[in-house]
Amino acid sequence: DTAVSQTPKYLVTQMGNDKSIKCEQNLGHDTMYWYKQDSKKFLKIMFSYNNKELIINETVPNRFSPKSPDKAHLNLHINSLELGDSAVYFCASSRRQGVTDTQYFGPGTRLTVL
Amino acid sequence: DQQVKQNSPSLSVQEGRISILNCDYTNSMFDYFLWYKKYPAEGPTFLISISSIKDKNEDGRFTVFLNKSAKHLSLHIVPSQPGDSAVYFCAAKRDTGTASKLTFGTGTRLQVTL
Repeated sequence: DTAVSQTPKYLVTQMGNDKSIKCEQNLGHDTMYWYKQDSKKFLKIMFSYNNKELIINETVPNRFSPKSPDKAHLNLHINSLELGDSAVYFCASSRRQGVTDTQYFGPGTRLTVL
Repeated sequence: DQQVKQNSPSLSVQEGRISILNCDYTNSMFDYFLWYKKYPAEGPTFLISISSIKDKNEDGRFTVFLNKSAKHLSLHIVPSQPGDSAVYFCAAKRDTGTASKLTFGTGTRLQVTL
């Protein structure tokens, strides 16, 4: 009965490969997010989808492409992986409640690019 | 440009004492502030929040104080327990209209000793 789940938890791959990370939430939320936590522990937003529509797109290389097949899922596809993509990627979701819009996070996917 | 700062990377407190974690921000457009707790290999877990129109919010052992004029907030944990040992992230929200954009600090590692 995990609220926000991600697969895989660990991902080790070679430079140049294409990989995907999946995220699902069973909270009935309408907004989902992808965050990247780099080696300096900064947690920075990458994308946000609301009802399957892209609403936040930070300065992220276009090798990263989010896909939202429905409100409960937001997947992240990464093309031509580079060493600098190594990080922990967190998915999150929220339901808009006026000002109080609390985001709930998944367990993270640790991506290592060799 | 780091808009949310947690200047203490670590803090050690004895069990039963008060833990005070601090956070400073620079953007006056932030309207909502949150604290997240993170254990190793897990995602951030929502702890407590405060709206910018309030100066205090209390939930059990956790109290968050907001000083808007100083652009400063703090999390008080009393009494501290060993299970509170974790990394604590301060986050500030700015409303984009359809989604909340969270900006995180770099975290403070709290160690509660026996």
